[in-house]
Amino acid sequence: SAVISQKPSRDICQRGTSLTIQCQVDSQVTMMFWYRQQPGQSLTLIATANQGSEATYESGFVIDKFPISRPNLTFSTLTVSNMSPEDSSIYLCSASPLAGDNNEQFFGPGTRLTVL
Amino acid sequence: AQTVTQSQPEMSVQEAETVTLSCTYDTSENNYYLFWYKQPPSRQMILVIRQEAYKQQNATENRFSVNFQKAAKSFSLKISDSQLGDTAMYFCAFMKPNDYKLSFGAGTTVTVRA
Repeated sequence: SAVISQKPSRDICQRGTSLTIQCQVDSQVTMMFWYRQQPGQSLTLIATANQGSEATYESGFVIDKFPISRPNLTFSTLTVSNMSPEDSSIYLCSASPLAGDNNEQFFGPGTRLTVL
Repeated sequence: AQTVTQSQPEMSVQEAETVTLSCTYDTSENNYYLFWYKQPPSRQMILVIRQEAYKQQNATENRFSVNFQKAAKSFSLKISDSQLGDTAMYFCAFMKPNDYKLSFGAGTTVTVRA
């Protein structure tokens, strides 16, 4: 299993500013992902954070808006840039410890972002 | 992208009773993985149960069991002997093999009444 922590747990930001969310895993993992969850809604995948290379973004999400870093096998950051009220959401980090047949993903507690 | 459909936005169940959540999905893949995740008010996503499509036997985890109907592309979750701590939003999710990306349904909010 993997225990995932996120910082900050919540923040209130002004429009036009940027926020960087950190995701730390207690063990080395192969795959890390970032999801967005609007209040009361489902989770939408933003991107796959690739270690040592550029993140892979899903349709509708771009690097300029959501730059992602993954410097090693236990840590990733997601930046929400030039924020607007529409970016108000919960942002969740997840990780999959093992490749192969065990495809379980573990999730962080999420970061609740409110943009004024 | 795969489509995962949860047609029940909300369900309510009496403590100790049984509730069944429905999930259907659309895929052309023959092999894949299905999951049910629980998200209580604390927001922490917790894996409840997983099913590999190549396994015919339905997965069971204590009070949680699934009814996997591959031909019908149906994957329902049964919660038996419901407890107050089961109150949460439940998400059905799909994953292609070697992809590791989850496609989630819209979720079903389950409320267990004392």
